[in-house]
Amino acid sequence: GENVGLHLPTLSVQEGDNSIINCAYSNSASDYFIWYKQESGKGPQFIIDIRSNMDKRQGQRVTVLLNKTVKHLSLQIAATQPGDSAVYFCAENTPWNQGGKLIFGQGTELSVKP
Amino acid sequence: NAGVTQTPKFQVLKTGQSMTLQCAQDMNHEYMSWYRQDPGMGLRLIHYSVGAGITDQGEVPNGYNVSRSTTEDFPLRLLSAAPSQTSVYFCRTGRLNTEAFFGQGTRLTVV
Repeated sequence: GENVGLHLPTLSVQEGDNSIINCAYSNSASDYFIWYKQESGKGPQFIIDIRSNMDKRQGQRVTVLLNKTVKHLSLQIAATQPGDSAVYFCAENTPWNQGGKLIFGQGTELSVKP
Repeated sequence: NAGVTQTPKFQVLKTGQSMTLQCAQDMNHEYMSWYRQDPGMGLRLIHYSVGAGITDQGEVPNGYNVSRSTTEDFPLRLLSAAPSQTSVYFCRTGRLNTEAFFGQGTRLTVV
């Protein structure tokens, strides 16, 4: 949904620990979800996606979980590394008949302590 | 960001000036869109296009015009720049419901 001018939520983890970043989405009809990573001064970078007919999808060191009942997404990063420090955004893709638009969440800043 | 080219990377405008931000892709993507990103906020959709000749408004379209005369290009026009349009602008391209790519961004300052 809507973005407001608040400070980004921050998650601070120790190197080697697992990270979990959460996201709530607004449109129960959304059928496709994406997690992006954005480093300072760069454009968002695709991490992993999931379709609404799935509950879980795994990539390399990352897992996305989708709970459609409560409209909630999470991104799990295993063995977090300093290079994972960035802002992470979830995005919901609205259905084609509603414009097929990508709506971004506010973002969470992940800070990894060595 | 491969295959998506945004220009310029940086721009300073005076209030009232006009300019065009360029976005070009060579991946034959039907979907192209423009977002703006302000400090402490996520990306907000300005305009989007699902194919050549088709455009539509996003969340924050006021003050911006777009056109899509070719599949490859999706320029964003500011007809009369205002300080509130100071932001970082990202172009995104992709196919519907698949991985999409962002450009590197254009940092615009309106004084």
